[in-house]
Amino acid sequence: QQQVKQSPQSLIVQKGGISIINCAYENTAFDYFPWYQQFPGKGPALLIAIRPDVSEKKEGRFTISFNKSAKQFSLHIMDSQPGDSATYFCAASNFNKFYFGSGTKLNVKP
Amino acid sequence: NAGVTQTPKFRVLKTGQSMTLLCAQDMNHEYMYWYRQDPGMGLRLIHYSVGEGTTAKGEVPDGYNVSRLKKQNFLLGLESAAPSQTSVYFCASSSTEGMNTEAFFGQGTRLTVV
Repeated sequence: QQQVKQSPQSLIVQKGGISIINCAYENTAFDYFPWYQQFPGKGPALLIAIRPDVSEKKEGRFTISFNKSAKQFSLHIMDSQPGDSATYFCAASNFNKFYFGSGTKLNVKP
Repeated sequence: NAGVTQTPKFRVLKTGQSMTLLCAQDMNHEYMYWYRQDPGMGLRLIHYSVGEGTTAKGEVPDGYNVSRLKKQNFLLGLESAAPSQTSVYFCASSSTEGMNTEAFFGQGTRLTVV
């Protein structure tokens, strides 16, 4: 049973557009929700993360929106750029044990 | 600053062969993990360790064994490789200090079992 469900599986966005990736979880014990970015041939790298005591976190063009009651969180990429083309994974963690979503392959068209 | 280093980067095995994947981290992290990445399935936790000398099962542990004899190293073993174990394997580590529980990943090992 997948602990974290992620959608969509793939996403095509025009340069300058907004990319939105959604995730949902069931286990209310999770206390840390990171997003990882992975380029081909590389390992995932932390992009941005949030804890459940805040509803939104913004770092540059990247924003996490968190809805604790709905057990959902999402990544918004504003002004998407071709360099943002990568696979994005959401994750949820409790006691340093990380569960990842299935990934979203983002393609930003020039 | 090496971070997390995986050896080897690529490997082709025949069914039934055995091999060990090595992960080394130089950040003095307590936690270490082995994940496998398969298309459409994301990263699935195989085994993990919360400190030297400890190991625990993750989501998909069958067919794998691990050892953490030294804090900086975490070994993943396949005793009798099967085609279903064809995957990209990632090692990661994280610290227990403070509120930052970021997991740092290695570059991955692409394993093909024929």
